[in-house]
Amino acid sequence: GENVEQHPSTLSVQEGDSAVIKCTYSDSASNYFPWYKQELGKRPQLIIDIRSNVGEKKDQRIAVTLNKTAKHFSLHITETQPEDSAVYFCAAWGSSGYSTLTFGKGTMLLVSP
Amino acid sequence: NAGVTQTPKFRILKIGQSMTLQCTQDMNHNYMYWYRQDPGMGLKLIYYSVGAGITDKGEVPNGYNVSRSTTEDFPLRLELAAPSQTSVYFCASSYSGYDYNSPLHFGNGTRLTVT
Repeated sequence: GENVEQHPSTLSVQEGDSAVIKCTYSDSASNYFPWYKQELGKRPQLIIDIRSNVGEKKDQRIAVTLNKTAKHFSLHITETQPEDSAVYFCAAWGSSGYSTLTFGKGTMLLVSP
Repeated sequence: NAGVTQTPKFRILKIGQSMTLQCTQDMNHNYMYWYRQDPGMGLKLIYYSVGAGITDKGEVPNGYNVSRSTTEDFPLRLELAAPSQTSVYFCASSYSGYDYNSPLHFGNGTRLTVT
């Protein structure tokens, strides 16, 4: 089955800096890669996603890049703000029949004022 | 739309008791899922369903059972609760097919403590 590795496990930045979270996946046929943000005590919520036919996608301060050859994808947050502090999960969905979403172990992002 | 609704929000069980966590969605999604999240940890898939009448095991199914009699509802049953089942349980749903996937929508979670 699919295996998703996520790094780093913890990331501390100063307000205004950029943050990058990286993930690798094992199933070369995976075709859908969402990113979720989970604030303390809350449910995971989708912040951005990318499909395998696209190399990059942006939404205001958030961007995701996908390198299918290397089987890795990354989340980029620019001009970080304290409210960006949360746990971020990457995920990958394989294309082998009725597969499910496999999540990375998460990255705790701490943005200091 | 209410999205994915989970009940109860909190529950304390004694060892050996049983309970059912309820989950319902009003988005007409075909896929539904149950995840558990231990403190400071990631999401582990317990069971999932690709449609009414079809369920399958995830990564950590032991000690749990599910059923999917309707598109809307996907209850999770805990039999003989154990302290290791203390966790936050999230139900989720998505519209997915053989070659198409959409984002998972999560409920607000049920915080379960077994003592």
